[in-house]
Amino acid sequence: EDKVVQSPLSLVVHEGDTVTLNCSYEVTNFRSLLWYKQEKKAPTFLFMLTSSGIEKKSGRLSSILDKKELFSILNITATQTGDSAVYLCAPMDSNYQLIWGAGTKLIIKP
Amino acid sequence: EPEVTQTPSHQVTQMGQEVILRCVPISNHLYFYWYRQILGQKVEFLVSFYNNEISEKSEIFDDQFSVERPDGSNFTLKIRSTKLEDSAMYFCASGRQGQGYTFGSGTRLTVV
Repeated sequence: EDKVVQSPLSLVVHEGDTVTLNCSYEVTNFRSLLWYKQEKKAPTFLFMLTSSGIEKKSGRLSSILDKKELFSILNITATQTGDSAVYLCAPMDSNYQLIWGAGTKLIIKP
Repeated sequence: EPEVTQTPSHQVTQMGQEVILRCVPISNHLYFYWYRQILGQKVEFLVSFYNNEISEKSEIFDDQFSVERPDGSNFTLKIRSTKLEDSAMYFCASGRQGQGYTFGSGTRLTVV
């Protein structure tokens, strides 16, 4: 059965800190891995990772995938209170179906 | 920026009634999805739709549920004979092959 484990489940840091969120997965017929940010409502797309070892960056956020060790990390540097959200990792299988992790709840204190 | 639009944003219905949740995907997207999220729980896949037919569905998506693309733009989820446990946020998403999905802002369904 496909499995996605995100860690930590929740994290509280101060503004300006750097955080690393982890996602390990076991997915049959893996295609790619997506990261989403969920605040109050719909998940907002952050990254899609298909190749191992290639870092994707968007501002203070970056992410990388390791297909050999079956994990991905999401880094956020110089965190701001607006980064507070649940970050969801979702591997995609060959049928384009997303398998969702439980998420990491990130709280940034001023 | 193009977005996925869902209506209504919140619907309250009595147990046993039928509801139709509506979605307008991004116009050049070919893959459409419905997900749901019960309050405080994981996002759950319901169904994927491509080329005017269901391509994949989860165990949750039983005979109580159906999807339609009644015209070139709308994508609907019908829930028949609603139960209390159907209360959740229902998200529509659309995408193109090889790209991340864009989610709508969701419909909060409350069954009383």
